[in-house]
Amino acid sequence: DTGVSQDPRHKITKRGQNVTFRCDPISEHNRLYWYRQTLGQGPEFLTYFQNEAQLEKSRLLSDRFSAERPKGSFSTLEIQRTEQGDSAMYLCASSLTGALGPNSPLHFGNGTRLTVT
Amino acid sequence: QKEVEQNSGPLSVPEGAIASLNCTYSDRGSQSFFWYRQYSGKSPELIMSIYSNGDKEDGRFTAQLNKASQYVSLLIRDSQPSDSATYLCAVRGSTLGRLYFGRGTQLTVWP
Repeated sequence: DTGVSQDPRHKITKRGQNVTFRCDPISEHNRLYWYRQTLGQGPEFLTYFQNEAQLEKSRLLSDRFSAERPKGSFSTLEIQRTEQGDSAMYLCASSLTGALGPNSPLHFGNGTRLTVT
Repeated sequence: QKEVEQNSGPLSVPEGAIASLNCTYSDRGSQSFFWYRQYSGKSPELIMSIYSNGDKEDGRFTAQLNKASQYVSLLIRDSQPSDSATYLCAVRGSTLGRLYFGRGTQLTVWP
């Protein structure tokens, strides 16, 4: 169990540029979640996958955001035409719907800190 | 009304005291409840999960759940300076999908 891995750890970009983040979940985990967190706030849900299927997407998420998990393993989150308001920590988490079913806890990666200038 | 509400604090207790953190939630059908600890600049770390009414103890931590009152709490006994962090309450809603997080309560334990 190597934990959830996110890349890059930090990203600085100029407004209007596109960025892509990668998340590798814990290997046997079938659910993968993306959250965003700004200073002083709790994590805000963006989307989640079960295997390769995207099961839920936040209504707050604009169409500039897209996420994929093509083979049910790693996932990417892309933000197009970045805005200063996109500056945040982007957190990936995974879980296993095993004995606890869908009630199992989430395990977070170290996050990708995005700064849009 | 937010799905998960926490006292934002900050909460300050002396070393060795009991720290009490509270959380309420709005979805009466919620089935799983979690407490995460988050150090400044780090990602959330799971410390407790609770699924049924009553108390659950793990070392110095006790989680309490009252579904009728839609209330979850976390007690930290014999608080240590290393417990100084933000504590996030998280609730999985009745759709069994996303976790909803509160804003977190910032705890400071002073020596």
